[in-house]
This record gives sequence, structure tokens and C-alpha cells, in this order.
Amino acid sequence: AQTVTQSQPEMSVQEAETVTLSCTYDTSESDYYLFWYKQPPSRQMILVIRQEAYKQQNATENRFSVNFQKAAKSFSLKISDSQLGDAAMYFCACLTGTASKLTFGTGTRLQVTL
Amino acid sequence: NAGVTQTPKFQVLKTGQSMTLQCAQDMNHEYMSWYRQDPGMGLRLIHYSVGAGITDQGEVPNGYNVSRSTTEDFPLRLLSAAPSQTSVYFCASSYVASGLYEQYFGPGTRLTVT
Repeated sequence: AQTVTQSQPEMSVQEAETVTLSCTYDTSESDYYLFWYKQPPSRQMILVIRQEAYKQQNATENRFSVNFQKAAKSFSLKISDSQLGDAAMYFCACLTGTASKLTFGTGTRLQVTL
Repeated sequence: NAGVTQTPKFQVLKTGQSMTLQCAQDMNHEYMSWYRQDPGMGLRLIHYSVGAGITDQGEVPNGYNVSRSTTEDFPLRLLSAAPSQTSVYFCASSYVASGLYEQYFGPGTRLTVT
């Protein structure tokens, strides 16, 4: 079985600043994918960024980037130039085996202040 | 494309009642899943399907049934509702052949069992 741990229940960042959300995972699989999802108050799950475990290069999507440390089983999300619209719950998730078996962490609530 | 649709958006049931949560996707995705989201616990996999006629259990399958008679539809049945099934339910689908493994989520159904 795989596990995903998010140790920060809540984080706060000032607008235009940078924040890093932590995630660690554990899996015995050699082939897996890692994701960060955003869930705003609307409840919709929105994919922020994905990382294939076989790729050494860290994924980047505009203001969002990851620090993927495979040996340490760590997958943190960095949000640069934070905006008010970034305020949401952020979930880290790991996909192994069949493409339907996604394991989520418990989430980090991000607050963005002026 | 409508993407992944779920009905109803909200539902209140009494203990012991049965009901079906509907999920449909129009993206011809072979993989479909059901998750429940409870406070402080992230999303947990209930059941999943890798194609029409094929279903399997996830992490928390007890009290739920699924079937997949078509590629498009993946209904979730609550046989005898219990207060412990009060939760937000998400349906998701993904297209594995693209190699991206991204899961597309529906808007969710908030279920309350009294």
C-alpha cells in the first residue's frame, strides 16, 4: 500500500511572496506519478502540476514548480509570486498500479494575505 | 465537451434509504473512479473501473456498489445509507493511452445521511 503525508495542515503567505508546501510519500512501486491538486471553495479538484517518477527534471507550470527528491521520497510544491486566487486546499497525490488508484494526502490549506 | 458530470449536487437521505449517485463522462476515458472526501482525511478511493464491464474495490468499498455497463457511465449505489456515509463524493476519469494519467474530476456530490 502507498501513503502520502502532508505535515502542514495550514500555511499562510503574503501576496507576491513565495511559499513551499511539503509532501512525502511511500510506495514500493518503481513506476509512479505524483500530482498536486488545488481545491478552491467551489470544491472543484484542479490539477496544478504532475511529475513522472522516471524523470529527474523537476516539473514547472508557470508560477508553480516542484522539488522532487526521489531518494528521500519528497515532492514539495513551490508557488512563486502568490496571488489571492491561489488561496485553496492543496492535495498531494501519488498514482501507481492501474491509472485509477490515486492516493491523496490530507491536504494543506493555503491562505494568501494582502 | 461537458467533461465529468455528477448528479445530484446535494442529497439528504435517511438512515436505511438507498440511492444512486450518477457519474458520466464524454471524453471516452477508459478509467473511472469514485472517491469520498471527509474533513481532515483527503480523498479516499471507493471503487474504480478500468473499462466497461470491469470494476474493482478501492480503499473504502464497504456499503457501496458499482457497475460499468458503458464507457460513459459509472454509477455509485448506496445500498442502505448510514450516517458514516455522510461525505462529499467525487467521480473522476482518466485516459491512460495519453501517457499523462491525469484524472479529471466531477464537481462532487454532497451527501448527508440523517
